Amino acid sequence: KQEVTQIPAALSVPEGENLVLNCSFTDSAIYNLQWFRQDPGKGLTSLLLIQSSQREQTSGRLNASLDKSSGRSTLYIAASQPGDSATYLCAVRHDYKLSFGAGTTVTVRA
Amino acid sequence: DAMVIQNPRYQVTQFGKPVTLSCSQTLNHNVMYWYQQKSSQAPKLLFHYYDKDFNNEADTPDNFQSRRPNTSFCFLDIRSPGLGDAAMYLCATSRGTSGVNEQFFGPGTRLTVL
Repeated sequence: KQEVTQIPAALSVPEGENLVLNCSFTDSAIYNLQWFRQDPGKGLTSLLLIQSSQREQTSGRLNASLDKSSGRSTLYIAASQPGDSATYLCAVRHDYKLSFGAGTTVTVRA
Repeated sequence: DAMVIQNPRYQVTQFGKPVTLSCSQTLNHNVMYWYQQKSSQAPKLLFHYYDKDFNNEADTPDNFQSRRPNTSFCFLDIRSPGLGDAAMYLCATSRGTSGVNEQFFGPGTRLTVL
């Protein structure tokens, strides 16, 4: 059974600092890994999807890396802003289902 | 814009009173999923439909049922909601079930059980 872990569960940083969010998974036989953002009481917004053959993906201030062999992914958010405050979840895809981590809740202090 | 729509966004029901949540999609995707997300927890897959084929996860309680009358719509029925069923319910779609197919999520329905 795939287990996905995100540590830390919560993170608080001052505005402008770079954010580093970690995701680890136990079974490296994945098709892809996806990072989502979730605002309080809201649904999931997809940020980045990395196929298993890729090492990283970038979108604006966001960069996600994937090391499938070690079962790890990292989401980097450059120059954080208060609007980046949210919960960030990673999910790995194997066969038909996504297995999610519980998320890291980020607070960016103005 | 093509999208996944969930109604209602917020639903309040009483303990034991049946409730139905709705999901519709304009993406014309073959697969529709229902996830349950309790507070501060990871979303958990309840079941999915591939076209008309229903696939239940092994640990999904019998209290949860689903219907898919056509490609566009999928419903989640909770026959007798308990306090433990209060959660965010997320609907997602994908073109197929192979790993290259991305899942697209709706905004969710937050269920409160009184």
